Amino acid sequence: GIQVEQSPPDLILQEGANSTLRCNFSDSVNNLQWFHQNPWGQLINLFYIPSGTKQNGRLSATTVATERYSLLYISSSQTTDSGVYFCAVNFGNEKLTFGTGTRLTIIP
Amino acid sequence: DTGVSQNPRHKITKRGQNVTFRCDPISEHNRLYWYRQTLGQGPEFLTYFQNEAQLEKSRLLSDRFSAERPKGSFSTLEIQRTEQGDSAMYLCASSLGDLAGSTDTQYFGPGTRLTVL
Repeated sequence: GIQVEQSPPDLILQEGANSTLRCNFSDSVNNLQWFHQNPWGQLINLFYIPSGTKQNGRLSATTVATERYSLLYISSSQTTDSGVYFCAVNFGNEKLTFGTGTRLTIIP
Repeated sequence: DTGVSQNPRHKITKRGQNVTFRCDPISEHNRLYWYRQTLGQGPEFLTYFQNEAQLEKSRLLSDRFSAERPKGSFSTLEIQRTEQGDSAMYLCASSLGDLAGSTDTQYFGPGTRLTVL
């Protein structure tokens, strides 16, 4: 079946470190979004990136659609970056299928 | 702030009671989605509307669940005869989609956390 897998499942880093989160998906996608879910449960949009590379401040993302993966880069981590990061994809229909998530903990 | 809003933010109910949640999307968005998230999992799709038409329903949406979007603006999600397994965060999202069916960025509300005792 359709699958979206993220790695690593958990990541603990010192403040100031860089990190790379990966999202693998099992089929061609129309849309891929990265979200940060804060401790209160709010899903915050980071990127809409079905292909290519985008950057927003300390965050950047790259999607290689032909190889069915996307990467989220976080540089110079801050404690406010802690939370769960989800990628979510559209497989040719309207619904988003979410990945398994990466829980990021930034230690001061 | 003109983001997606949801009410109530928290709901505690007893098993067997009915509950109703409301979602107000971003004003110009014609598509509205409901998702459910249980502890430790990613959100799962329940249903979506284009304007007032409900176009897709997940098999997760049992006959105890009903969603409406009567005027193509706000939406309600009702759960009848709640069960303990219904305890979850219910998330609403909206997007601006064109009639050709292209997908667009979905923006999420803060969610309604349901606890069934």
